Amino acid sequence: QVQLVESGGRVVPPGTSLEISCAASGFIFMNHGMHWVRQSPGKGLEWVAFISYDGSREEYADAVKGRISVSRDNSRSTLNVELRNLKTEDTAIYYCARASFTNGWHGSYMDVWGTGTTVTVSS
Amino acid sequence: QSALTQPASVSGSLGQSVTISCSGTSSSIGPYYLVSWYHQAPDKVPRLIFFGNNERPSGGSDRYSGSRTAYTASLTISGLQADDEGDYFCCSYAGGPSVFGTGTKVTVL
Repeated sequence: QVQLVESGGRVVPPGTSLEISCAASGFIFMNHGMHWVRQSPGKGLEWVAFISYDGSREEYADAVKGRISVSRDNSRSTLNVELRNLKTEDTAIYYCARASFTNGWHGSYMDVWGTGTTVTVSS
Repeated sequence: QSALTQPASVSGSLGQSVTISCSGTSSSIGPYYLVSWYHQAPDKVPRLIFFGNNERPSGGSDRYSGSRTAYTASLTISGLQADDEGDYFCCSYAGGPSVFGTGTKVTVL
């Protein structure tokens, strides 16, 4: 079945870097853009980043711009995000989500979500 | 990239309808910017429930309907059921980035 599985979340000290990954299965990964969304404890959803189906376009939220890089390996159906200079406010569950499009509209909707991986930034 | 504005909470009785609004500006919820809606049941992963003019994911419920004015999108949940409880988030394309709403907690009385 269509599935996204994140991995790599852990406890890290402030100022360090971390890479988390998302493994896709059950669909043609190279046909879809992908989003990263995070949710801090007890808070709402926050969009973090988007990468196009072929990796040629990246978009980042202002809160993380300059500290984040998203990449993908279509041969392995994997999505990665590197977070640098981590801050305590980066503590969150990080979800990857598949982007799909519908005619006549700008932008995409997120029709498949992973179960999330937890990043905790703490000294 | 300011979050879209949603009411913090709405409530309704079993079988009733509730409407959740999602407001922004021309740069965050413009007329041709796709708005999608997600339901997050307690301790669960968010799930797409509605998007565009009147589209739902395959197998989705027709109890969800939507509307748009200039810079406000709305989601109506008809025939409230117990498992409709949880948090609801709108999301809009914002000219490159995307932006989520602040979230609305739905309580079924």
